[in-house]
Amino acid sequence: AQKVTQAQTEISVVEKEDVTLDCVYETRDTTYYLFWYKQPPSGELVFLIRRNSFDEQNEISGRYSWNFQKSTSSFNFTITASQVVDSAVYFCALSEANYGGSQGNLIFGKGTKLSVKP
Amino acid sequence: KAGVTQTPRYLIKTRGQQVTLSCSPISGHRSVSWYQQTPGQGLQFLFEYFSETQRNKGNFPGRFSGRQFSNSRSEMNVSTLELGDSALYLCASSLRGPNTGELFFGEGSRLTVL
Repeated sequence: AQKVTQAQTEISVVEKEDVTLDCVYETRDTTYYLFWYKQPPSGELVFLIRRNSFDEQNEISGRYSWNFQKSTSSFNFTITASQVVDSAVYFCALSEANYGGSQGNLIFGKGTKLSVKP
Repeated sequence: KAGVTQTPRYLIKTRGQQVTLSCSPISGHRSVSWYQQTPGQGLQFLFEYFSETQRNKGNFPGRFSGRQFSNSRSEMNVSTLELGDSALYLCASSLRGPNTGELFFGEGSRLTVL
C-alpha cells in the first residue's frame, strides 16, 4: 500500500539556520510522482515541486533544494538560510500513475510544522 | 489570473443536516479534486472530476458525493452530517489531472458540525 511518512511533526529553528524536512514513501509502483506543498496559516496549499520516479536528479530553486533517493525511498526538502516567512506546515505527497497517467490522487504525509523565529 | 475559489469559507451545521460546498477552478482547468483535512487524519482524498466525470474516488462513505458542471465548477455534498465530518475541505484544480503537474488549491471551506 502507498504511504508517506513525515516523522518530524514540528521543527523550530532560528532565522538563517538551514533546515531539512524528511519524507519517506512506500509504493509498489515503478512509476509514481512525488510532491512537496506548503500550507501557510491562510489554509491553501501552495505547490513547491513535482518529481517523477525516473528523475533522481536533485533540484535547487533559490533557497530550496530537494534530494530524491530511490534507494532509501526518500524525498527530503532543505531550506537554506531560513526566513520567518518560511513558517508553515509542509506536506510531502505521493501519487501513483496506475490510472493511466493523468489521473491519480495525492497521498499526503501528516505534515511538518516549521517555525522560524527571528 | 483568478485562483481557485471555494464557497462558503466557513459554515456551521448540526448533526443530521446536509451541506453543499462549491469550488470554481482556475479558468481552463478541467480537473477538480477534493480533499478533507482534519487534525487526526490529515489530508485525505475524496474524489476527482474531469470533464464532468468522476475519475477517481477515495475511501469515504456514500454520504459524500460530488459533481462537476460543464463549466468545470464542482460541488461536493455531505448528507446526514456527523460530528466527525468537521474539517477543512480543500478543492484543487489542474489542467489535465493530478499527475500531470501542479495542483492549485483553494483556501478551503471550514465546516463545523455541532
